[in-house]
Amino acid sequence: DAKTTQPNSMESNEEEPVHLPCNHSTISGTDYIHWYRQLPSQGPEYVIHGLTSNVNNRMASLAIAEDRKSSTLILHRATLRDAAVYYCILRDVNSGGSNYKLTFGKGTLLTVNP
Amino acid sequence: GAGVSQSPSNKVTEKGKDVELRCDPISGHTALYWYRQSLGQGLEFLIYFQGNSAPDKSGLPSDRFSAERTGGSVSTLTIQRTQQEDSAVYLCASSILPPGAGYNEQFFGPGTRLTVL
Repeated sequence: DAKTTQPNSMESNEEEPVHLPCNHSTISGTDYIHWYRQLPSQGPEYVIHGLTSNVNNRMASLAIAEDRKSSTLILHRATLRDAAVYYCILRDVNSGGSNYKLTFGKGTLLTVNP
Repeated sequence: GAGVSQSPSNKVTEKGKDVELRCDPISGHTALYWYRQSLGQGLEFLIYFQGNSAPDKSGLPSDRFSAERTGGSVSTLTIQRTQQEDSAVYLCASSILPPGAGYNEQFFGPGTRLTVL
């Protein structure tokens, strides 16, 4: 899977929006962009995914650059419960490959201040 | 509904002992994965099971590690002759693989924290 680059850490205040960036300059046309997060002492949980268009769900929004070389996870109003490590992951949708694997980097540690 | 469960939640063992870690996936999920997470690191893929297909063992770090999945449901990860570097959190995940689709959300269990003294 193509590599992603994320800042090691970010800080936000409660009830403010948070924009978590991810660079993936070597993304291929069949790579989906996935975001997972890991709360303290828990397993990772799915947040959102997309291919080309921006996506919204109840947890977050995903903004994908037109050239797909970067994306941003947007938490519209951060809460203390959003403090976690956020992972940006690329996964190729082509069948026949190891497309089931999620390759996790070190992610971005988000701290939310009250 | 019930999520992925793992047992034990914590395991402390002595170097050289064998350990077994258990994973109960979400009912009906055909795919099961094992990962491990060392302190301060990202997740490392270990092994993948899909239905009755041969598992992908490419992530297992040595032949001391093995896993099986009985009846397409419960899975056991076994580490023989444990070493201190095996200390980590071992995470299990399961998913449904929609036919022909790339979307494949993985649901993770809480993990087993293994400490080898």
